[in-house]
Amino acid sequence: EVQLLESGGGLVQPGGSLRLSCAASGFTFSSYAMTWVRQAPGKGLEWISAMSDSGTPYADSVKGRFTISRDNSKNTLYLQMNSLRGEDTAIYYCATATFERSEAGRKFYFDSWGQGTLVTVSS
Amino acid sequence: DIQMTQSPSTLSASVGDRVTITCRASQSISSWLAWYQQKPGKAPKLLIYKASTLESGVPLRFSGSGSGTEFTLTISSLQPDDFATYYCQQYNNYWTFGQGTKVEIK
Repeated sequence: EVQLLESGGGLVQPGGSLRLSCAASGFTFSSYAMTWVRQAPGKGLEWISAMSDSGTPYADSVKGRFTISRDNSKNTLYLQMNSLRGEDTAIYYCATATFERSEAGRKFYFDSWGQGTLVTVSS
Repeated sequence: DIQMTQSPSTLSASVGDRVTITCRASQSISSWLAWYQQKPGKAPKLLIYKASTLESGVPLRFSGSGSGTEFTLTISSLQPDDFATYYCQQYNNYWTFGQGTKVEIK
C-alpha cells in the first residue's frame, strides 16, 4: 500500500524558511515522479512543483523561492521554502505522479496523496 | 496558462439523485483531465483520469466524459459517502485545478 507522510510544517515568520519532507513507503519511490500541491485555508487546490526525470517545474507563485528535491536512498521528497509570505499559508500535500504516454510526451496525473502538513506564515 | 472553471460552485442534492458537475478549460486539453474528491480535513482522492477512466476501487456510480474544453463528472445515484467537494484538474500543460464544487445535502 502506498503511504506518503508529510512533516516539517509549522509556524514561521514572514521572510523565514522551512523545509518540508514527504516520507514514502509501499512502492518503488525512485521510479515515480512526485509533486507538491497546496491548499490555503478554505480555498481550492494549487499545484506548486513537480519532480521527474524530465525536470522540476514550478508554479509562478513560488518560482525562485521554493526548491523541490528528493533523496531516493531515504525514499523522501523535500520542499525547501524560502522568503515565505502570508499567502504561502496552506496545507501542503505531496503526491505521486503517474503518467500516460501521448504523441506530445508523457502526461502526469496525481494518484496517491499524503495527509498534508500545515504551514502558517505569520508574525 | 490554462484556466479551469467548474460549475456549479455548490450543489444541493439528496441521496439517490443523479448529479452532474461541469468543468470547462480555457483551451483544448484533449482528454488530459482528472477528477478528485475531497472530504473535510482529508487529502484529495483521485476518482477519474484521462477524462473517463475510473481509478481502481472507485465505485461504478462515478463516471466522466468529455474532451477538448468541456467535461462532466456524473454520480448516477448519490450516496451518503459522496457528500464532498470535487475538483477537476487539467494535466495537458503543467497542472491546473478548477475552483471546486461542493456537493451538500439538500
